[in-house]
Amino acid sequence: AQTVTQSQPEMSVQEAETVTLSCTYDTSENNYYLFWYKQPPSRQMILVIRQEAYKQQNATENRFSVNFQKAAKSFSLKISDSQLGDTAMYFCAFLLTGGGNKLTFGTGTQLKVEL
Amino acid sequence: NAGVMQNPRHLVRRRGQEARLRCSPMKGHSHVYWYRQLPEEGLKFMVYLQKENIIDESGMPKERFSAEFPKEGPSILRIQQVVRGDSAAYFCASSLPGQIYEQYFGPGTRLTVT
Repeated sequence: AQTVTQSQPEMSVQEAETVTLSCTYDTSENNYYLFWYKQPPSRQMILVIRQEAYKQQNATENRFSVNFQKAAKSFSLKISDSQLGDTAMYFCAFLLTGGGNKLTFGTGTQLKVEL
Repeated sequence: NAGVMQNPRHLVRRRGQEARLRCSPMKGHSHVYWYRQLPEEGLKFMVYLQKENIIDESGMPKERFSAEFPKEGPSILRIQQVVRGDSAAYFCASSLPGQIYEQYFGPGTRLTVT
């Protein structure tokens, strides 16, 4: 079974600064996807960024980028130029290709962006 | 294109009552997934359905919980004889066939059992 670990329950960052959220996962499979989801106080789950395991290039979406280290099974999220609206719970998630279509989530990191 | 819709957004039930949670997937999406988020935890997979079929229910509790996705109408997650431990946020997601990597989430239903 796959597991996802987020070892930082809470983090804070000053507005306009950069912050990195950590995620590690465990799998013996080779084909999978990794995701970061954001859950603001409204509790809506919002997809931030997605990475295909077969791609070596790190995914980027505007101010959000990932550092995907497949051998180390590490998938960190970097948020640049942090904004107050980035305050949310961030979940790392894993999806095995051909493995039943279910997302496996970590326990989340609560990020607070401060003035 | 409307997103995934869930209703009700909030549901309060007394112990022993039944809870019915509804999920309308995005237009054209025939795959539905249910996840549960207990307080202070991440989401946990419950069940994956396609129209009229349960594909994977490995995350569903063996008793009191059931799910369906009929040919017409929304997907329903049903919890019979609710207990306090069922209090949680229940999220539905949907995807297009063959695009499992793009699961779009609804706003969730917060179930409170008193």
